Amino acid sequence: EAGVVQSPRYKIIEKKQPVAFWCNPISGHNTLYWYRQNLGQGPELLIRYENEEAVDDSQLPKDRFSAERLKGVDSTLKIQPAELGDSAVYLCASSSLAGGNNEQFFGPGTRLTVL
Amino acid sequence: EDKVVQSPLSLVVHEGDTVTLNCSYEVTNFRSLLWYKQEKKAPTFLFMLTSSGIEKKSGRLSSILDKKELSSILNITATQTGDSAIYLCAVRYSGGGADGLTFGKGTHLIIQP
Repeated sequence: EAGVVQSPRYKIIEKKQPVAFWCNPISGHNTLYWYRQNLGQGPELLIRYENEEAVDDSQLPKDRFSAERLKGVDSTLKIQPAELGDSAVYLCASSSLAGGNNEQFFGPGTRLTVL
Repeated sequence: EDKVVQSPLSLVVHEGDTVTLNCSYEVTNFRSLLWYKQEKKAPTFLFMLTSSGIEKKSGRLSSILDKKELSSILNITATQTGDSAIYLCAVRYSGGGADGLTFGKGTHLIIQP
Protein backbone atom coordinates (compact mmCIF):
# COMPACT_ATOMS: atom_id res chain seq x y z
CA GLU A 1 0.00 0.00 0.00
CA ALA A 2 1.42 3.39 -0.98
CA GLY A 3 1.97 5.81 1.86
CA VAL A 4 1.34 9.53 2.01
CA VAL A 5 3.11 11.21 -0.89
CA GLN A 6 4.45 14.73 -0.73
CA SER A 7 6.25 16.89 -3.22
CA PRO A 8 8.61 18.52 -3.58
CA ARG A 9 10.90 16.98 -0.98
CA TYR A 10 13.05 20.09 -0.81
CA LYS A 11 12.45 23.68 -1.78
CA ILE A 12 14.72 26.69 -1.55
CA ILE A 13 13.28 30.10 -2.30
CA GLU A 14 14.02 33.74 -1.62
CA LYS A 15 11.86 35.62 0.82
CA LYS A 16 8.73 37.25 -0.59
CA GLN A 17 8.43 34.50 -3.20
CA PRO A 18 5.41 32.20 -3.28
CA VAL A 19 5.70 28.47 -2.69
CA ALA A 20 3.31 25.54 -2.83
CA PHE A 21 3.42 22.03 -1.40
CA TRP A 22 1.41 19.08 -2.59
CA CYS A 23 0.13 16.07 -0.68
CA ASN A 24 -1.57 12.88 -1.80
CA PRO A 25 -2.97 10.97 1.20
CA ILE A 26 -3.37 7.24 1.56
CA SER A 27 -6.22 6.03 -0.59
CA GLY A 28 -9.48 6.02 1.31
CA HIS A 29 -8.29 8.28 4.11
CA ASN A 30 -10.87 10.99 4.69
CA THR A 31 -8.86 13.11 7.09
CA LEU A 32 -5.84 15.08 5.99
CA TYR A 33 -3.55 17.19 8.14
CA TRP A 34 -0.85 19.72 7.41
CA TYR A 35 1.81 20.21 10.08
CA ARG A 36 4.82 22.49 10.31
CA GLN A 37 7.88 21.23 12.14
CA ASN A 38 10.58 23.69 13.11
CA LEU A 39 14.06 22.48 13.94
CA GLY A 40 14.16 20.90 17.37
CA GLN A 41 10.40 21.05 17.79
CA GLY A 42 7.52 18.66 17.42
CA PRO A 43 5.10 19.08 14.52
CA GLU A 44 2.47 21.81 14.92
CA LEU A 45 -0.94 21.42 13.32
CA LEU A 46 -1.74 24.02 10.65
CA ILE A 47 -4.98 22.70 9.22
CA ARG A 48 -7.15 19.60 9.24
CA TYR A 49 -9.52 18.50 6.50
CA GLU A 50 -12.43 16.11 6.71
CA ASN A 51 -12.95 15.22 3.06
CA GLU A 52 -12.92 18.60 1.29
CA GLU A 53 -13.92 20.66 4.33
CA ALA A 54 -11.34 22.48 6.46
CA VAL A 55 -12.68 21.73 9.95
CA ASP A 56 -9.79 23.13 11.97
CA ASP A 57 -7.65 25.93 10.57
CA SER A 58 -7.26 27.88 13.77
CA GLN A 59 -3.45 27.62 13.69
CA LEU A 60 -3.07 28.56 10.03
CA PRO A 61 -1.57 32.05 9.54
CA LYS A 62 -4.21 33.17 7.14
CA ASP A 63 -2.50 36.36 6.05
CA ARG A 64 0.01 34.40 4.00
CA PHE A 65 -0.95 30.75 4.18
CA SER A 66 -3.74 29.07 2.27
CA ALA A 67 -4.72 25.49 1.65
CA GLU A 68 -7.20 23.60 -0.40
CA ARG A 69 -8.38 20.07 -0.83
CA LEU A 70 -10.54 20.04 -3.89
CA LYS A 71 -12.47 16.79 -4.40
CA GLY A 72 -11.43 15.66 -0.95
CA VAL A 73 -8.29 13.81 -2.02
CA ASP A 74 -5.08 15.70 -2.84
CA SER A 75 -4.25 18.87 -1.01
CA THR A 76 -2.02 21.86 -1.58
CA LEU A 77 -0.58 24.24 0.96
CA LYS A 78 0.57 27.63 -0.26
CA ILE A 79 2.61 30.41 1.27
CA GLN A 80 2.57 33.82 -0.35
CA PRO A 81 4.77 35.67 0.30
CA ALA A 82 7.23 33.50 2.16
CA GLU A 83 9.20 34.91 5.08
CA LEU A 84 12.49 33.81 6.61
CA GLY A 85 10.65 32.36 9.60
CA ASP A 86 8.72 30.00 7.36
CA SER A 87 11.78 27.79 6.94
CA ALA A 88 10.68 24.44 8.34
CA VAL A 89 9.59 20.97 7.35
CA TYR A 90 5.96 20.82 6.23
CA LEU A 91 4.42 17.45 6.97
CA CYS A 92 1.23 16.04 5.57
CA ALA A 93 -0.57 13.23 7.37
CA SER A 94 -3.75 11.28 6.76
CA SER A 95 -6.00 9.04 8.75
CA SER A 96 -9.13 7.05 8.28
CA LEU A 97 -12.17 7.63 10.42
CA ALA A 98 -13.15 4.01 10.07
CA GLY A 99 -13.21 2.36 13.47
CA GLY A 100 -12.13 5.54 15.21
CA ASN A 101 -8.47 4.71 14.67
CA ASN A 102 -6.39 7.67 15.74
CA GLU A 103 -3.26 6.62 13.91
CA GLN A 104 -1.99 9.24 11.54
CA PHE A 105 0.30 8.25 8.73
CA PHE A 106 2.86 10.89 7.85
CA GLY A 107 4.40 11.72 4.52
CA PRO A 108 8.14 12.34 4.15
CA GLY A 109 7.66 16.10 4.39
CA THR A 110 8.83 19.07 2.36
CA ARG A 111 11.86 20.86 3.73
CA LEU A 112 11.49 24.56 2.95
CA THR A 113 14.41 26.94 3.18
CA VAL A 114 13.68 30.65 2.78
CA LEU A 115 16.73 32.78 2.05
CA GLU B 1 -3.32 26.50 26.34
CA ASP B 2 -2.85 22.81 25.68
CA LYS B 3 0.67 21.57 26.04
CA VAL B 4 2.76 18.44 25.96
CA VAL B 5 6.12 18.35 27.72
CA GLN B 6 8.74 15.70 27.14
CA SER B 7 11.83 14.95 29.17
CA PRO B 8 14.67 14.68 28.85
CA LEU B 9 15.09 16.70 25.66
CA SER B 10 18.19 14.72 24.83
CA LEU B 11 19.77 11.54 26.10
CA VAL B 12 22.99 9.73 25.26
CA VAL B 13 23.43 6.14 26.44
CA HIS B 14 25.45 3.08 25.49
CA GLU B 15 24.19 0.12 23.58
CA GLY B 16 22.47 -2.34 25.86
CA ASP B 17 21.28 0.26 28.34
CA THR B 18 17.63 0.68 29.24
CA VAL B 19 16.06 4.11 28.79
CA THR B 20 12.85 5.71 30.02
CA LEU B 21 11.38 8.67 28.20
CA ASN B 22 8.76 10.84 29.85
CA CYS B 23 5.77 12.73 28.57
CA SER B 24 3.37 14.89 30.57
CA TYR B 25 0.38 16.72 29.19
CA GLU B 26 -2.23 19.33 29.89
CA VAL B 27 -5.01 19.19 27.33
CA THR B 28 -8.72 19.60 27.40
CA ASN B 29 -10.89 16.81 26.06
CA PHE B 30 -8.14 14.21 26.11
CA ARG B 31 -8.75 11.27 23.81
CA SER B 32 -5.48 9.40 23.53
CA LEU B 33 -1.71 9.68 23.76
CA LEU B 34 0.55 8.56 20.96
CA TRP B 35 4.24 7.89 20.68
CA TYR B 36 6.14 8.33 17.43
CA LYS B 37 9.70 7.61 16.38
CA GLN B 38 11.25 10.13 14.02
CA GLU B 39 14.51 9.44 12.27
CA LYS B 40 15.48 11.45 9.22
CA LYS B 41 12.06 11.39 7.71
CA ALA B 42 8.51 11.62 8.96
CA PRO B 43 7.31 10.33 12.33
CA THR B 44 6.40 6.66 12.40
CA PHE B 45 3.75 5.42 14.75
CA LEU B 46 4.74 3.37 17.80
CA PHE B 47 1.88 3.22 20.29
CA MET B 48 -1.52 4.65 21.03
CA LEU B 49 -2.66 4.71 24.65
CA THR B 50 -6.15 5.48 25.83
CA SER B 51 -6.51 3.69 29.17
CA SER B 52 -4.45 4.06 32.32
CA GLY B 53 -2.32 1.22 33.57
CA ILE B 54 -2.42 -0.95 30.47
CA GLU B 55 1.05 -1.50 29.08
CA LYS B 56 1.50 -1.60 25.35
CA LYS B 57 4.49 -3.64 24.23
CA SER B 58 6.28 -4.13 20.96
CA GLY B 59 9.56 -6.00 21.11
CA ARG B 60 11.95 -4.04 23.28
CA LEU B 61 9.65 -1.03 23.47
CA SER B 62 6.84 -0.58 25.93
CA SER B 63 4.67 2.28 27.05
CA ILE B 64 2.10 3.00 29.70
CA LEU B 65 -0.30 5.83 30.42
CA ASP B 66 -1.19 7.33 33.80
CA LYS B 67 -4.26 9.50 33.39
CA LYS B 68 -4.26 10.48 37.04
CA GLU B 69 -0.76 11.88 36.74
CA LEU B 70 -1.39 13.09 33.16
CA SER B 71 1.73 11.38 31.97
CA SER B 72 3.17 8.53 30.01
CA ILE B 73 6.50 6.77 29.77
CA LEU B 74 8.19 5.00 26.90
CA ASN B 75 10.71 2.32 27.86
CA ILE B 76 13.33 0.85 25.58
CA THR B 77 15.31 -2.11 26.89
CA ALA B 78 18.59 -3.47 25.54
CA THR B 79 19.00 -0.42 23.33
CA GLN B 80 20.62 -0.69 19.91
CA THR B 81 22.20 1.94 17.69
CA GLY B 82 19.15 1.69 15.45
CA ASP B 83 17.05 3.08 18.29
CA SER B 84 18.77 6.43 17.85
CA ALA B 85 16.03 8.86 16.86
CA ILE B 86 13.77 11.59 18.12
CA TYR B 87 10.86 10.17 20.08
CA LEU B 88 7.76 12.30 19.91
CA CYS B 89 4.83 12.22 22.28
CA ALA B 90 1.51 13.56 21.03
CA VAL B 91 -1.87 13.94 22.65
CA ARG B 92 -5.09 13.63 20.71
CA TYR B 93 -7.85 16.02 21.69
CA SER B 94 -11.32 16.78 20.44
CA GLY B 95 -14.16 19.20 20.96
CA GLY B 96 -15.44 22.45 19.51
CA GLY B 97 -14.71 21.31 16.01
CA ALA B 98 -11.06 20.73 16.81
CA ASP B 99 -9.57 17.30 16.49
CA GLY B 100 -5.86 17.02 16.14
CA LEU B 101 -2.61 16.21 17.80
CA THR B 102 -0.48 18.39 20.02
CA PHE B 103 3.11 17.25 19.91
CA GLY B 104 5.85 17.64 22.47
CA LYS B 105 9.28 18.84 21.39
CA GLY B 106 10.60 15.30 21.44
CA THR B 107 13.44 13.47 23.14
CA HIS B 108 16.57 13.14 21.03
CA LEU B 109 17.97 9.72 21.91
CA ILE B 110 21.49 8.77 20.87
CA ILE B 111 22.72 5.23 21.37
CA GLN B 112 26.48 4.92 21.32
CA PRO B 113 28.11 1.62 20.30
